Amino acid sequence: SAVISQKPSRDICQRGTSLTIQCQVDSQVTMMFWYRQQPGQSLTLIATANQGSEATYESGFVIDKFPISRPNLTFSTLTVSNMSPEDSSIYLCSVEVIWNTEAFFGQGTRLTVV
Amino acid sequence: SQKIEQNSEALNIQEGKTATLTCNYTNYSPAYLQWYRQDPGRGPVFLLLIRENEKEKRKERLKVTFDTTLKQSLFHITASQPADSATYLCAASNTGNQFYFGTGTSLTVIP
Repeated sequence: SAVISQKPSRDICQRGTSLTIQCQVDSQVTMMFWYRQQPGQSLTLIATANQGSEATYESGFVIDKFPISRPNLTFSTLTVSNMSPEDSSIYLCSVEVIWNTEAFFGQGTRLTVV
Repeated sequence: SQKIEQNSEALNIQEGKTATLTCNYTNYSPAYLQWYRQDPGRGPVFLLLIRENEKEKRKERLKVTFDTTLKQSLFHITASQPADSATYLCAASNTGNQFYFGTGTSLTVIP
């Protein structure tokens, strides 16, 4: 199993600013992911955070808007850049210890952009 | 594109009854289906995984089925309790590929 600590748990930000979300795992994991969960919507994968190389982004998400760092196998950050109210959402960090088995999630970051 | 659909309406049931939640998938042939529980303000928590070659999986009061002909998974909670009230998410995936999540079904168990 894996225990994930994600912070901040919530924030209210001004439009045009950036917020960096941190994800710390209690063990080394290869596969780490960032999701967005908008109200009433399913979890949408933003990107796979790759240790030591650039993240792999899904369609509709770009590095300039959502830069991701993964300096080691236990830590990653997601930045939401130049925020607008449309970025208001819950952002979730997730890991898979063994591929295609259960995913472990952080508690999420509830972001409100005003 | 692939689509994972769950009961869009909230489900209310009486305590002690069996809750049945539905997950349908289209334009996709997953090798795995997973079910998660999500409480307000929390991340999803894994409950059960079922593979395409398994018809049924059980864990305590939970049961999951996987029907590749109907392209559907059913999630059952027997002897439901108010503590089972939460949103339940279905996720589909193939080997080496990302998970695709449904929008979730909100379950309320009434005492």
